[in-house]
Amino acid sequence: DQQVKQNSPSLSVQEGRISILNCDYTNSMFDYFLWYKKYPAEGPTFLISISSIKDKNEDGRFTVFLNKSAKHLSLHIVPSQPGDSAVYFCAAYFSGTYKYIFGTGTRLKVLA
Amino acid sequence: GAVVSQHPSWVICKSGTSVKIECRSLDFQATTMFWYRQFPKQSLMLMATSNEGSKATYEQGVEKDKFLINHASLTLSTLTVTSAHPEDSSFYICSAGGTDTQYFGPGTRLTVL
Repeated sequence: DQQVKQNSPSLSVQEGRISILNCDYTNSMFDYFLWYKKYPAEGPTFLISISSIKDKNEDGRFTVFLNKSAKHLSLHIVPSQPGDSAVYFCAAYFSGTYKYIFGTGTRLKVLA
Repeated sequence: GAVVSQHPSWVICKSGTSVKIECRSLDFQATTMFWYRQFPKQSLMLMATSNEGSKATYEQGVEKDKFLINHASLTLSTLTVTSAHPEDSSFYICSAGGTDTQYFGPGTRLTVL
């Protein structure tokens, strides 16, 4: 049972345009949602998180939106840069369990 | 931000040997660390939760006798792959952190010949 889903395995975007990465989840008990960026042969790097009590969190070019009724979150990158090309994972977290459940990742390619 | 290191970054071993991978939190104490495994084109799979001073908690389907975890101090957890086989070849990643974030180590690529 995949509790966190990223239905788009890949995405290509022109440099300077907006990248939108989507993530759906099934369990309404999740407290936090996080996005990670991963380059090949490296560990994931934390990007941005959002608490379940918020619907938006912004950090520079990265904004995460949370729609609890739809059990959906998205990561917006504006403007996209070639260095943003990587695999992006969303993750969901239960307070008290320290258990992070990851989506399958979306490979973003930003074209120069 | 917080730093988590792993050693070694890449290891090649013969089938049947054991390999130890270290995960260290460099500037903070971690009572809990996590070990993941990543297969090509797949997500990170949580293998186990490493608890300082107590036994690790393994996810369903992960052989605890094969993947030995020791969390000897608040800054070090080790994963030992015992009697490694080619199917154990993978990218192993650890993480540690707080409630709203996790810091990941750079990963260890294990190749079993």
